[in-house]
Amino acid sequence: QKEVEQNSGPLSVPEGAIASLNCTYSDRGSQSFFWYRQYSGKSPELIMFIYSNGDKEDGRFTAQLNKASQYVSLLIRDSQPSDSATYLCAVTLSYNTDKLIFGTGTRLQVFP
Amino acid sequence: DAGVTQSPTHLIKTRGQQVTLRCSPKSGHDTVSWYQQALGQGPQFIFQYYEEEERQRGNFPDRFSGHQFPNYSSELNVNALLLGDSALYLCASSLSLTGRDTQYFGPGTRLTVL
Repeated sequence: QKEVEQNSGPLSVPEGAIASLNCTYSDRGSQSFFWYRQYSGKSPELIMFIYSNGDKEDGRFTAQLNKASQYVSLLIRDSQPSDSATYLCAVTLSYNTDKLIFGTGTRLQVFP
Repeated sequence: DAGVTQSPTHLIKTRGQQVTLRCSPKSGHDTVSWYQQALGQGPQFIFQYYEEEERQRGNFPDRFSGHQFPNYSSELNVNALLLGDSALYLCASSLSLTGRDTQYFGPGTRLTVL
């Protein structure tokens, strides 16, 4: 089982819709969770981090964490074509908080 | 506030050569981590430097080595380059706090090995 799993996509949504990106992780003791956005040919850009169960909102983005089910999700409201990118989920392990473990990313396509 | 910077942007080398990549962390940060990202994959952790010492290492061979300087900047060295070393190399900086280090990435160095 991979430590962090994401559906590779592409996830296609129309402009103005809500995009829902999901991520599951294997280490039940993981404490820190991050979402990065990566445009083609560019480096990852931090969007959100979340540490506690529940929702965390920042503008059009909402991160949701459910530690009991070991999943973290990212909702993007009012999706725009400029949101088209690969979204990487990253977690730190319970026994090693120094490094980020990444999923392979989900490619999001927002069409006009 | 200067973000993370990396140099060079692109690099082309041949098999067997050696390469050095450089990174300057975000202002106020003291920890540098290096990642390798192959095409279509998520970044893979290479190692992390803090207080000029390698604090943590991922599953990479000894051909990969690094250094951190007193001003917190860092270098990644790769010896005896292989074709499989072709990737985007990412530097991330953070401020070392227990269990809550948020890492910010630089623009990366694209390494091509021919």
